[in-house]
Amino acid sequence: DAKTTQPNSMESNEEEPVHLPCNHSTISGTDYIHWYRQLPSQGPEYVIHGLTSNVNNRMASLAIAEDRKSSTLILHRATLRDAAVYYCILRVRIQGAQKLVFGQGTRLTINP
Amino acid sequence: GAGVSQSPSNKVTEKGKDVELRCDPISGHTALYWYRQSLGQGLEFLIYFQGNSAPDKSGLPSDRFSAERTGGSVSTLTIQRTQQEDSAVYLCASSSPADTQYFGPGTRLTVL
Repeated sequence: DAKTTQPNSMESNEEEPVHLPCNHSTISGTDYIHWYRQLPSQGPEYVIHGLTSNVNNRMASLAIAEDRKSSTLILHRATLRDAAVYYCILRVRIQGAQKLVFGQGTRLTINP
Repeated sequence: GAGVSQSPSNKVTEKGKDVELRCDPISGHTALYWYRQSLGQGLEFLIYFQGNSAPDKSGLPSDRFSAERTGGSVSTLTIQRTQQEDSAVYLCASSSPADTQYFGPGTRLTVL
């Protein structure tokens, strides 16, 4: 399974942007980059995913390096509800079901 | 529509007893996954089902663990002769094939 590396923890202030980095130097051409987050006492929830181009949705933006060996999840204006563990996961581009391989993720703390 | 539901939300059992954990996936999702999360740890894949294909059981930690999915919908994860190290949150997710996974709230299992 392709591996990702994330900082164990990060801290930010409310209403400020947050940039969560992820390194995936062994990524292959068929791997998608997925981000999930897990709020306290809840199951993980999907945030965003991408392949090569930067992606935006209502929750966040995903910036992917040109060589695809790293990516950054961007929360444009953090709120207290964004405090969670954020997981960066690689998924092979295949048809059909595929397990997710979770690392330790980044625990994001938001200060009021 | 309704999300993934799991029952019970909490289960306390004595060492050596058998337990059954239930997952109701999102209607129409053909893929169903089980993960577990020990205290303070990341998620660990256990098993997944996709349609009528043989399940991927590669993550089951021992032969005390088994799962079935009846009628392509509801799934039951069974742990026989529970041990204290089985204490964890057991999470179920469902998806359309190759799509994002939607997680349930989990079942917290405590083995005394």
